[in-house]
Amino acid sequence: AQSVTQLDSQVPVFEEAPVELRCNYSSSVSVYLFWYVQYPNQGLQLLLKYLSGSTLVKGINGFEAEFNKSQTSFHLRKPSVHISDTAEYFCAVSGRGAGGTSYGKLTFGQGTILTVHP
Amino acid sequence: EADIYQTPRYLVIGTGKKITLECSQTMGHDKMYWYQQDPGMELHLIHYSYGVNSTEKGDLSSESTVSRIRTEHFPLTLESARPSHTSQYLCASSGRTANSPLHFGNGTRLTVT
Repeated sequence: AQSVTQLDSQVPVFEEAPVELRCNYSSSVSVYLFWYVQYPNQGLQLLLKYLSGSTLVKGINGFEAEFNKSQTSFHLRKPSVHISDTAEYFCAVSGRGAGGTSYGKLTFGQGTILTVHP
Repeated sequence: EADIYQTPRYLVIGTGKKITLECSQTMGHDKMYWYQQDPGMELHLIHYSYGVNSTEKGDLSSESTVSRIRTEHFPLTLESARPSHTSQYLCASSGRTANSPLHFGNGTRLTVT
């Protein structure tokens, strides 16, 4: 079983400031890690994913995240945010199955609402 | 561009009514999912399917049922809606491989009065 904790329910920042959204997970098996973004009245859209290899992964819209196995974290960062980044962000984890197959049963965190002020 | 479609987007219905939330995808994905999302809460998996005639209950117990008669279609049904069913329901699909992300529909916001 897996669990995900997003440490901040809301993060207000000013435009062009850097931002970090924190995510910690627990799992008894190796995992795949994801960040999704949800704009108002829409479904979730994949920002980036970590499957294997380099621990720093880059996604869309200038976001990146770093997988830290020892700290079981997968924090999301952006060096300079825009008003359009205002949305809710979800961290998610799925356990690796036999042979490295992901079964897609994601466990989501509670979400972090990022509000970018002008 | 959405390749997974949910209808209706919004539904307000009285207690005791039977409802079906529609979900269709055009990507040929084998895996499909229904998540329930309440404000300020994480998404909870309520149903999933790995292919035609395959359905399983998710991590969160739900009074709803699903069917998967065709690959592209994964409807969710509530036989008798109650106010406790008020929530947003998100449908998703994914391919078979490990690096295949979930594609989400825009959701159905259900209100039961």
